[in-house]
Amino acid sequence: EAQVTQNPRYLITVTGKKLTVTCSQNMNHEYMSWYRQDPGLGLRQIYYSMNVEVTDKGDVPEGYKVSRKEKRNFPLILESPSPNQTSLYFCASSFQGQGANGYTFGSGTRLTVV
Amino acid sequence: GQQLNQSPQSMFIQEGEDVSMNCTSSSIFNTWLWYKQEPGEGPVLLIALYKAGELTSNGRLTAQFGITRKDSFLNISASIPSDVGIYFCAGQWGAGNMLTFGGGTRLMVKP
Repeated sequence: EAQVTQNPRYLITVTGKKLTVTCSQNMNHEYMSWYRQDPGLGLRQIYYSMNVEVTDKGDVPEGYKVSRKEKRNFPLILESPSPNQTSLYFCASSFQGQGANGYTFGSGTRLTVV
Repeated sequence: GQQLNQSPQSMFIQEGEDVSMNCTSSSIFNTWLWYKQEPGEGPVLLIALYKAGELTSNGRLTAQFGITRKDSFLNISASIPSDVGIYFCAGQWGAGNMLTFGGGTRLMVKP
């Protein structure tokens, strides 16, 4: 089944403890992206990647890092999480050039930083 | 960056009623998209609009790409309980896969 898989689905952590949220897709998509969802603000893009070893900042990149060493994986790294990063996170992927029509979203990761 | 204003923020309606929501922006978009998000899941694409003035239907859903390319609306006719969820508009801009999302409309349907 074609899908985007995020792990974990839920995570509670403490301020300053490094964490990684994994994202993997099995559709051979070039484009991958991370969003955070907060009430009333919709989905805001954190980082995106056009292909392997090519990443760029979205609208809200502060406090996050990403890497794209392989086509299928696009982990989101929080080096020193803070409470304002408590949010619902989504990974999405698509074929490059397919435009937004081809986005497939993961099921989300709910992160709480205390 | 681009911004989308989506309204209303929430709606609580009776089953069978029609629903209308819209998104506006001061920026021009190449494509307008409407997504639905159900609890515990990621957004799923409902309708994509590619040309100014385009009117597209998907079952009981109808969406339009505004003539000015700065707005779009989504109508749901004869709502049913499974229509419950958060509906997002999104505008695609630039040459790549860049999307800007609206703040979402939370729809609740009373049986």
